[in-house]
Amino acid sequence: DIQMTQSPSSLSASVGDRVTITCQASQDISNYLNWYQQKPGKAPKLLIYDASNLETGVPSRFSGSGSGTDFTFTISSLQPEDIATYYCQQYDNLPPSITFGQGTRLEIK
Amino acid sequence: QVQLQESGPGLVKPSQTLSLTCTVSGGSISSGSYYWSWIRQPAGKGLEWIGRIYTSGSTNYNPSLKSRVTISVDTSKNQFSLKLSSVTAADTAVYYCASEESSAKTLDYWGQGTLVTVSS
Repeated sequence: DIQMTQSPSSLSASVGDRVTITCQASQDISNYLNWYQQKPGKAPKLLIYDASNLETGVPSRFSGSGSGTDFTFTISSLQPEDIATYYCQQYDNLPPSITFGQGTRLEIK
Repeated sequence: QVQLQESGPGLVKPSQTLSLTCTVSGGSISSGSYYWSWIRQPAGKGLEWIGRIYTSGSTNYNPSLKSRVTISVDTSKNQFSLKLSSVTAADTAVYYCASEESSAKTLDYWGQGTLVTVSS
């Protein structure tokens, strides 16, 4: 099974800061990597799909990059409404499965 | 826009079977574009994918739960269901149903989640 290692587990930053979260797969997953935002008490929301594609309606300050085993999620200028927990998610076809990273809790400094 | 709503008992006794249903509105569960998935999240912890079902009835399960999980679909009611047997306190979690776009494997639409507590 593919394991996902997401870091850091928590992060404190100031409004306007550039924020970066990483996700590492235990084996090559090509670009089969999505990113979600989860606010307290709410269901996760898809932000980035296939590693670098911005979901419709998601602000352009959010971006993703990477392929193979190493992936990066970036918020270019942190806004107060971005306070949430962020998860990476990989999908595998052999066998068909989905695995989430451990999550990164983002707080305002 | 597709909407999903979980329903079922909020309290289940240890060793019993947890049963939840997800009702899909705003679209047909028979659409070939989606898988229908269950995900859970213990309080204060991360997300765990439980499994998925396609409208053909084919299923995929998380290997760690496979021996206890059954996911089924009722296209006539536009619903899909989760059964998790032999539950313990470790199965206490918020359970989400979600639609998974079949080619991109993105979990596009989610229910609001339902808390299931395993306790005697």
